[in-house]
Parts: sequence; structure tokens; C-alpha cells
Amino acid sequence: DAKTTQPTSMDCAEGRAANLPCNHSTISGNEYVYWYRQIHSQGPQYIIHGLKNNETNEMASLIITEDRKSSTLILPHATLRDTAVYYCIVKRSGGYQKVTFGTGTKLQVIP
Amino acid sequence: EAGVTQFPSHSVIEKGQTVTLRCDPISGHDNLYWYRRVMGKEIKFLLHFVKESKQDESGMPNNRFLAERTGGTYSTLKVQPAELEDSGVYFCASRPSDREVEAFFGQGTRLTVV
Repeated sequence: DAKTTQPTSMDCAEGRAANLPCNHSTISGNEYVYWYRQIHSQGPQYIIHGLKNNETNEMASLIITEDRKSSTLILPHATLRDTAVYYCIVKRSGGYQKVTFGTGTKLQVIP
Repeated sequence: EAGVTQFPSHSVIEKGQTVTLRCDPISGHDNLYWYRRVMGKEIKFLLHFVKESKQDESGMPNNRFLAERTGGTYSTLKVQPAELEDSGVYFCASRPSDREVEAFFGQGTRLTVV
């Protein structure tokens, strides 16, 4: 699996959009970009994934650059409950779960 | 629908002892995965069951670790004998085979070896 690079930490004001970047310059053609988060004392939680098109669901939006070498996870209106570590993972489709989660970005939502 | 459940939530044991972690996947999920985060490191894959069969155990660190899934329902992960470096959080996840969805994770078991 391709490696990813994320900032160690970020702050975001409550109610504002949180934009979390991820670099994955070695991504290959059959690999997807997945985002998970881990809220303190819980297991990782799937958020969203995409191949090359932008994606949106009830939790977040995912913007993938045209060259697929980077992406941004957007939480449109961050709440205090969004404080967590966010992991960007590059892997084959959902059936493939043999992954390492990396160090992620610690997002702190500030009141 | 009940989620993935792990027992115990915390375990403190002495070096050299044996510990067994249990994972109850979501009912009907054929796929069961174990991961762990040892102190200060990343969450890494350990192994994958499809029903009762080990599909991939390439992430198991050594032969002190034994995973089983008799009957294809719950799974156990035994560490015998435990070493200090086994301390960390062990996560279990499950997913169905009939749908293309991501795995659902349990809360994890925090293991401390002293």
C-alpha cells in the first residue's frame, strides 16, 4: 500500500469547516483513498473513501486532486464531538483490510 | 444491531502470564480482523479470518500469539507467554462478505504487561 503523509495536528473552531490534508504521491491506479477517525477510547471508524472523483456523505466530503497525489477531508461544520485522530489510508477496495493506520492528524475542535 | 464487542476492555497481567482476548463480531459477518497498536506505534493488521479459516495471518508478530475462531462466530487471541512489548491496544473488526463495506471496529482491549 502507498504511504501517506498528514500533519500531526490541527485546530478548528466549532461550527467552522475542518479541512484535513493528506499526501499520497505514490498511490497506484487501483488504490482508493480512505479516511477513518478514532475518537478517544474507541475503535477506528470509517468516514468516507474515493477513487478519483470527489465524494460526499452524511459525515464529510472528500476532495481528491486530479493527479490523485493528494486529498482533503472536509468536515463542513465541525463540532466538539469531531475531536479525534483522523487517518488517511490508501488501499485497494473495501474487501482489503490488511492496512497500517499511520500516525494520522489529531484534530482539536475548539469551542 | 449490536456492534463489535471486545472483552475485556482492560487487562493487566505480569510478564510470563497468559492472556486471552475475545472478540464478538457483528452477527452474520464472515470476516473478522485483529489489529493492534503497541505503545507509541501505529495501528497494524495482525490477521484475518473468513468464517473459521485464517485467510491471512502475516501480521502476527511471533508464535506467542494464537488466534482462533471456532465455529466461525467469536474469536479469541491468546498471548502466551506475555512480554512487556505486547502492551498496547488490540482491536477487532468485522465485515460481511455479501456487501462492499468497510469493517466495523470494536472498542479495543487495552493490555498492560508489567
